[in-house]
Amino acid sequence: DAGVTQSPTHLIKTRGQQVTLRCSPKSGHDTVSWYQQALGQGPQFIFQYYEEEERQRGNFPDRFSGHQFPNYSSELNVNALLLGDSALYLCASSFSGRGAYNEQFFGPGTRLTVL
Amino acid sequence: AQKVTQAQTEISVVEKEDVTLDCVYETRDTTYYLFWYKQPPSGELVFLIRRNSFDEQNEISGRYSWNFQKSTSSFNFTITASQVVDSAVYFCALRGGIYNQGGKLIFGQGTELSVKP
Repeated sequence: DAGVTQSPTHLIKTRGQQVTLRCSPKSGHDTVSWYQQALGQGPQFIFQYYEEEERQRGNFPDRFSGHQFPNYSSELNVNALLLGDSALYLCASSFSGRGAYNEQFFGPGTRLTVL
Repeated sequence: AQKVTQAQTEISVVEKEDVTLDCVYETRDTTYYLFWYKQPPSGELVFLIRRNSFDEQNEISGRYSWNFQKSTSSFNFTITASQVVDSAVYFCALRGGIYNQGGKLIFGQGTELSVKP
């Protein structure tokens, strides 16, 4: 049973560029959440996708956008990259079914470096 | 507002010592969930435990144990007879209840545990 997968593993971009990160949820999961983890900090919630729509959003600017596909996989897009966007981006998947505790299982992350 | 505080930034112990990682949380929700995750150098967050706000029973799993006390808003994590493989960053996280439909997690700053042989 494959867990949460993310691609790419590492990415280097320059300021002003745009980036797309990808996530495939754990088998049986239908909800995907994205987190940003700066060096030495705890993960910060960016947003969550369920049924191909953004269901909840954290305190991130509109430069951060996302998408969920019919197969539940998801993309995170960041436009006009800033140096401060350098971080580990974590994807987490969960199952939304009633009675489920909705534990989030995390992928290995994508390390984004903005130069 | 919801907040998780892990006051210990770094802890260093010698193998076989017991160590306790502290977690204090703030929430106005009457129903909420608390979690502990382990993050090894590889970066992936590994789920360790979930505790519901209505269940204050402490839990033990092998060398790991958790002490949940609503009266002090604390959810502490103890590793007994620590091992080098326990070296990692540990995060405590909070998820609100019925008004948190999406279930976003609020993480503490993390505690870096170093277990030396």
